[in-house]
Amino acid sequence: EVQLVQSGAEVKRPGESLKISCEGSGYSFTSYWVAWVRQMPGKGLEWMGIIYPADYRTAYSPSFQGQVTISADKSLRTAYLQWSSLEASDTAIYYCARQYGDSAPNDHWGQGTLVTVSS
Amino acid sequence: EIVLTQSPGTLSLSPGERATLSCRASRSVSSGYLAWYQQKPGQPPRLVIYGASSRATGIPDRFRGSGSGTDFTLTISRLEPEDFAVYYCQQYGSSSWTFGQGTKVEIK
Repeated sequence: EVQLVQSGAEVKRPGESLKISCEGSGYSFTSYWVAWVRQMPGKGLEWMGIIYPADYRTAYSPSFQGQVTISADKSLRTAYLQWSSLEASDTAIYYCARQYGDSAPNDHWGQGTLVTVSS
Repeated sequence: EIVLTQSPGTLSLSPGERATLSCRASRSVSSGYLAWYQQKPGQPPRLVIYGASSRATGIPDRFRGSGSGTDFTLTISRLEPEDFAVYYCQQYGSSSWTFGQGTKVEIK
């Protein structure tokens, strides 16, 4: 069974750093890209960026370029999304999702990680 | 980047009725790389349609996707209680993927 299991909810202060994770199982991790998607409270989906774990190629939405870093460790079958300095506006649910190719839909999704940033 | 505009924002219908959701792109979506997702409260999105018209695994045939270029439609022929949710379109043909703002299909 294909699964993407994300790390648990986080509560952080503004200015703090954070790295959340997404572990894939039940499929060839290096054959699929992993995307990250933001959903702010009560709002829609926003595509943030993507990584190909086989060679660590990344692409970012212009809206998120320079704001977050996407990485992966293929030996751990895990993709990551990290911030160096969180802001209150980063409060959201973050989903990872896999896709077969750089022009493909997201056919399996993680359960989401809620990140709350508050002073 | 390609901007996707969905309409209507909310669709109020009864079970058994037909739902027609629209997704319009600011420029042509290459190779029909257009997907539709269903999201229910507290759950991640679920892929419904990809390639503009292909149903994802396990999706019943009452869901139909159509369109090309800049205009796409998701039709649910007869709404079942489990179909009431928010639906998002997504284009994945350019270097920066984008989603529409969503259409909520609610029970009338």
